[in-house]
Amino acid sequence: DTAVSQTPKYLVTQMGNDKSIKCEQNLGHDTMYWYKQDSKKFLKIMFSYNNKELIINETVPNRFSPKSPDKAHLNLHINSLELGDSAVYFCASSRSGTPDFLFFGEGSRLTVL
Amino acid sequence: DAKTTQPPSMDCAEGRAANLPCNHSTISGNEYVYWYRQIHSQGPQYIIHGLKNNETNEMASLIITEDRKSSTLILPHATLRDTAVYYCIVRVGGGSNYKLTFGKGTLLTVNP
Repeated sequence: DTAVSQTPKYLVTQMGNDKSIKCEQNLGHDTMYWYKQDSKKFLKIMFSYNNKELIINETVPNRFSPKSPDKAHLNLHINSLELGDSAVYFCASSRSGTPDFLFFGEGSRLTVL
Repeated sequence: DAKTTQPPSMDCAEGRAANLPCNHSTISGNEYVYWYRQIHSQGPQYIIHGLKNNETNEMASLIITEDRKSSTLILPHATLRDTAVYYCIVRVGGGSNYKLTFGKGTLLTVNP
């Protein structure tokens, strides 16, 4: 039973399109995150939500809009995709008050052509 | 959060101990040392953390020097599946408005 699951695992799309990546965790955690890992392998936080409330937004373009329908889900919607958005996006979760112990999903590789 | 310095890459023979160093000379008294690893094409995985004392769990051991300016992650019997990028992170523990920041890490290659 996967703890943090993301779909889709691979996504290939054209520039200008809108796409979404879904994330679900069954660990009972209160906090969820989106990280981006670019071609140089740097892993950078984009957003975090605690109990459906946005608590971290790391100067990400507003084309990226996270949505948390409940504390077990954090979806990432990206409008008007650009070439530079090509990356692996990782979802993660943690318990409230313990943001150092992250559980990551397997990642979603987005390729923008 | 204190800055960390790790070698970009290391090799280790299968079955031998892998010792991964991390320098954090500007660490402050309330900052913990965390280790994560990322196996190719997977999400990062928590390994171990410590404040002052040496720590051991089923995955690894963490040795922190007395002055806390450096630490070593030890994988006692490395296997091929331990080939991964290992990240050393230093930060104050806890807090809700917090982000875990990953550096470049060390690529450990375990050779048969």
